[in-house]
This record gives sequence, structure tokens and C-alpha cells, in this order.
Amino acid sequence: EEQLVESGGGLVQPGGSLRLSCAASGFTFSSQSMSWVRQAPGKGLEWISYISRSTSLTIYYADSVKGRFTISRDNAKNSLYLQMNSLRYEDTAIYYCAREYISYFDLWGRGTLVTVSS
Amino acid sequence: QSALTQPASVSGSPGQSITISCIGTSSDVGGYRYVSWYQQYPGKAPKIMIYDVSNRPSGVSDRFSGSKSGNTASLTISGLQAEDEADYYCSAYTSSSTLLFGGGTKVTVL
Repeated sequence: EEQLVESGGGLVQPGGSLRLSCAASGFTFSSQSMSWVRQAPGKGLEWISYISRSTSLTIYYADSVKGRFTISRDNAKNSLYLQMNSLRYEDTAIYYCAREYISYFDLWGRGTLVTVSS
Repeated sequence: QSALTQPASVSGSPGQSITISCIGTSSDVGGYRYVSWYQQYPGKAPKIMIYDVSNRPSGVSDRFSGSKSGNTASLTISGLQAEDEADYYCSAYTSSSTLLFGGGTKVTVL
């Protein structure tokens, strides 16, 4: 079964850091482009970052996280990561990793909750 | 960049058809065919319903259809059923190589 499982969420103070992980299984992870999408409580979806498959690493960020968040992947470990620094209250959200199939997200994880609070 | 514009809510009776609009600009919705629609139930991850404006992935009911005119994309649900009650989000790729989502539309089946 194809699956994505996020982990690493939790409670962090403003200005703090957190590293999210997304473990992929059931498919060839290295052949797939991946993204992180977040959803603040009771709000809509927000795409935040993209990383291409292994052949040529292309990375994009939403303006809201550029310079603070870093996306990366370890194909040997079938894992996607999101390093989040200088966290703000408005970064509080459920963070989903999603697999990109051609032009849309065809597989999503269940998400991990990040709460930024003092 | 601002989110794509969707109505906050749309409602309809069982069996009726409803349409959800998604308004963008020539730099996103109007500029490319990469417009998708996702369905999300409370507490669940989103599910792809329409991609590339009007294509349905395998397994998605043909009651769901998509279209685009200029900078506005639309999702139509025909033969509305109770199970269609959910939140719906459009998304579009942009000229900046980023992705925008709409603000989401809550569909209520009366």
C-alpha cells in the first residue's frame, strides 16, 4: 500500500525550530516530486514548498516561508523533511506531505500538527 | 501571492447541480491548464477530484466535472448526494513556479 506518514510536529515557542519528517512507503520515492502543504486550524490549504525528484533537485517555496523553512529529501531513507526555523504564531497548522503526480497531488499523508505558542 | 477566490459556501438539494467558482489571474488560473480540485472531509486529508481543468482521476464519480473560462475555473457537482457534503479547494500553478490554493468552499446538501 502506498503511504505517507508525517511526524515531528508538536508545541514550539515563537522563534523556535522544528523538523518535520515524512516517511514514504509502497512506491519508488526517488522517482516522485514532493510538496509540503499546511492548513491552519479552521482555515484553507496553503502550499508551502516543493522539491523535485532526484535527477535534478529543483526547490520552490511560498513567500510566507521563504528564508525560514528548508525542504530536503533523503531517497536512501525514503524520507522528505521540512526544517522550520524562526517559527511564528501564524505557522500553527497541520502540515501535510503530498506526492505530486504530473500536475496534481495524488497521495497525501494524514498530517502532523505544529503549534506555535508561548 | 493571494489565494484564489472561491465562494465560502454553496448549498443544494439532493439531485440538484451546483457549481463552485475559482477566480484567479492570467498568471495562474488563466495562464495554464494546471487547475485542480480537491475534496476534503473534516479531519481528513484532501482527495483529488479534478486535474488539468477537466480530467477526472480513476475512481472519481462522473458527477464531478471541471471547466475553465479565462481566469475563472469551475467545479460542477451534478446529482448532488449527501456524501458530497465537504470542503472543496481549487489549486493552480503560477508563473512563479509556485502553487496557489483557493480559500475553500463548504458544500452543504440541504
